[in-house]
Amino acid sequence: SQQGEEDPQALSIQEGENATMNCSYKTSINNLQWYRQNSGRGLVHLILIRSNEREKHSGRLRVTLDTSKKSSSLLITASRAADTASYFCATPSSNTGKLIFGQGTTLQVKP
Amino acid sequence: ETGVTQSPTHLIKTRGQQVTLRCSSQSGHNTVSWYQQALGQGPQFIFQYYREEENGRGNFPPRFSGLQFPNYSSELNVNALELDDSALYLCASSLGERGSYNEQFFGPGTRLTVL
Repeated sequence: SQQGEEDPQALSIQEGENATMNCSYKTSINNLQWYRQNSGRGLVHLILIRSNEREKHSGRLRVTLDTSKKSSSLLITASRAADTASYFCATPSSNTGKLIFGQGTTLQVKP
Repeated sequence: ETGVTQSPTHLIKTRGQQVTLRCSSQSGHNTVSWYQQALGQGPQFIFQYYREEENGRGNFPPRFSGLQFPNYSSELNVNALELDDSALYLCASSLGERGSYNEQFFGPGTRLTVL
């Protein structure tokens, strides 16, 4: 079963606009991770936010975490066509070693 | 580039056959995880190995098995292939016994098609 659920499932914006993706999860977490996947290839780690952090930045990426609502958001500012990809949130299971992924948000950035 | 490689890139098998997929982790990474990703879905955890021992398993039948070797390479073996096994198979390396608590470095994947 999927722990994280992303919203929206698909997002289409113009270059230069901001893109916001949301993730909800069900159980308590140690951290939450965001990954990017280009066209059915391997995933690339974007950012990890720990349960005691509320916000984290990396370049044009901003991630927030609200543990009371069991939700996180990923904001990509000033999007570029090269940001076109699928974005996944993932949370580690406390006892099985696995990373539990949501179904992802597919982002299309039009030039 | 994550420093994780997988082979082969693509593979076509027929139902009932057996397949072995290979992964080479980042040097020094003692944890490797394998995931299955169906089209349009998020990756699903198959199992994880830490220091050559299975360290967690997802909801996959025993015909999915694995090995991890001291040289940071690993294998995923699938016996008695079924049509539903068609997917992208991803390996990910990381550090520590609870590898999923840390950043995962993914390989480019092996696309398996079962006919």
